Amino acid sequence: DTGVSQNPRHKITKRGQNVTFRCDPISEHNRLYWYRQTLGQGPEFLTYFQNEAQLEKSRLLSDRFSAERPKGSFSTLEIQRTEQGDSAMYLCASSRQGTGELFFGEGSRLTVL
Amino acid sequence: DQQVKQNSPSLSVQEGRISILNCDYTNSMFDYFLWYKKYPAEGPTFLISISSIKDKNEDGRFTVFLNKSAKHLSLHIVPSQPGDSAVYFCAASLYSNYQLIWGAGTKLIIKP
Repeated sequence: DTGVSQNPRHKITKRGQNVTFRCDPISEHNRLYWYRQTLGQGPEFLTYFQNEAQLEKSRLLSDRFSAERPKGSFSTLEIQRTEQGDSAMYLCASSRQGTGELFFGEGSRLTVL
Repeated sequence: DQQVKQNSPSLSVQEGRISILNCDYTNSMFDYFLWYKKYPAEGPTFLISISSIKDKNEDGRFTVFLNKSAKHLSLHIVPSQPGDSAVYFCAASLYSNYQLIWGAGTKLIIKP
C-alpha cells in the first residue's frame, strides 16, 4: 500500500509533555498538508509544504507547534508543552502540485490528560 | 466565522433513493469546491470536485451542482447504496493555493 502513512495512530500524554507525529506522504506528491480535526467539525488547516519549503502556516497555530519536512519527503509535527485543548485528530495529506485532490492518512489521535 | 457551512448534521435515506447533501459558502472568491467522504477511523477520501466555471460535474452515481449566485452547492447520490453511509464533507478553496476550508460534515445513513 503506497498511501499516506501516519504514526503513531494514537498518543496519550500528560499535559506539559512534548509529542511528535510523523507523516510519510505518497512518494510522487510534492505538497504535504497538516490538518487538525475535533469531534463534530471539519478538518482545520494548520500548515503546508511544497517540497521542503513551508509555504503557509495558519494563524491558529501557536508557537508551541512546529512542523518540518526535511529533504521534501516525510514530515514531522511537534507540539511542545501540550495542553488539554490540543486533544484532537491530526491529519496529514499530500497532493501533486496544481491539484486540489488531497490524499489523507488515517490520522494521529492525540489525547492530553 | 464559518466560511463553509453544512447545516444538516445528519441525513437518513432509503436504499435506492436519491441522497442530496447541501453546502453553503460565504466567500465569493472561492473558485474550487470538493466533496470528501469519511468512514470512522479513516482519513477523508476525495469524492468529486467542481470548478467555479462549471455548474455541474458528474462521476458515476455522484453529481455535484454549483449555484454561484446563491453560493450553494449540493451533492446528489443516485441510487444510494449501504456503502454510502459515511460522513460527507464539503470543502472550498482558491485555485491559487488549494488551502481547503471545510464544512462540519453531514452524516449520511442509508437504510436498507
